[in-house]
Amino acid sequence: GNSVTQMEGPVTLSEEAFLTINCTYTATGYPSLFWYVQYPGEGLQLLLKATKADDKGSNKGFEATYRKETTSFHLEKGSVQVSDSAVYFCALSYYGGATNKLIFGTGTLLAVQP
Amino acid sequence: GAVVSQHPSWVICKSGTSVKIECRSLDFQATTMFWYRQFPKQSLMLMATSNEGSKATYEQGVEKDKFLINHASLTLSTLTVTSAHPEDSSFYICSAGPTRDSSQYFGPGTRLLVL
Repeated sequence: GNSVTQMEGPVTLSEEAFLTINCTYTATGYPSLFWYVQYPGEGLQLLLKATKADDKGSNKGFEATYRKETTSFHLEKGSVQVSDSAVYFCALSYYGGATNKLIFGTGTLLAVQP
Repeated sequence: GAVVSQHPSWVICKSGTSVKIECRSLDFQATTMFWYRQFPKQSLMLMATSNEGSKATYEQGVEKDKFLINHASLTLSTLTVTSAHPEDSSFYICSAGPTRDSSQYFGPGTRLLVL
């Protein structure tokens, strides 16, 4: 079956620290992989994506590489800011019931302190 | 662009009553919408897929008579929690999609508390 496992939070960092949030997956076939971010009081927003092995998704200084050999899609950022404080969800797409659907990890709360 | 709204954002109701949650795509037409449920510190769990003009498709274990979904137009899907009980208290999130890359646009969610 399909599943996504991501590291538990909360992750607390100081501003300008390096961020890694681990995400691994199991899937049949070759899913697309996503990171979504949820800021307080808002809906999930697509942060970045990768649609095939070795693709690197990037946006707003965040990066993640689709690693088929380790079934991973770890999120990284070189220097976090207070404004990056949010919940981050790793997700994969799968085809079911005649449409593409998403399955999510449990989410990781990131708190960045000034 | 691609904004999805939900109404209400918060609802408290008595046990046994029904509650309707609306999900609207504000600036685009959504032939497919998804309804999720999220428990504290847990993942989003897909409840059902809603297609405009046809019956919703429910995920395994979701009671279709309990969670009624209607997708009457290309911009509106509704979820009605019928005869709500305290165990139905949760955060309900809708989304529209899938887009060409399989991603979805999400609403801000509705928190339901059943007393």
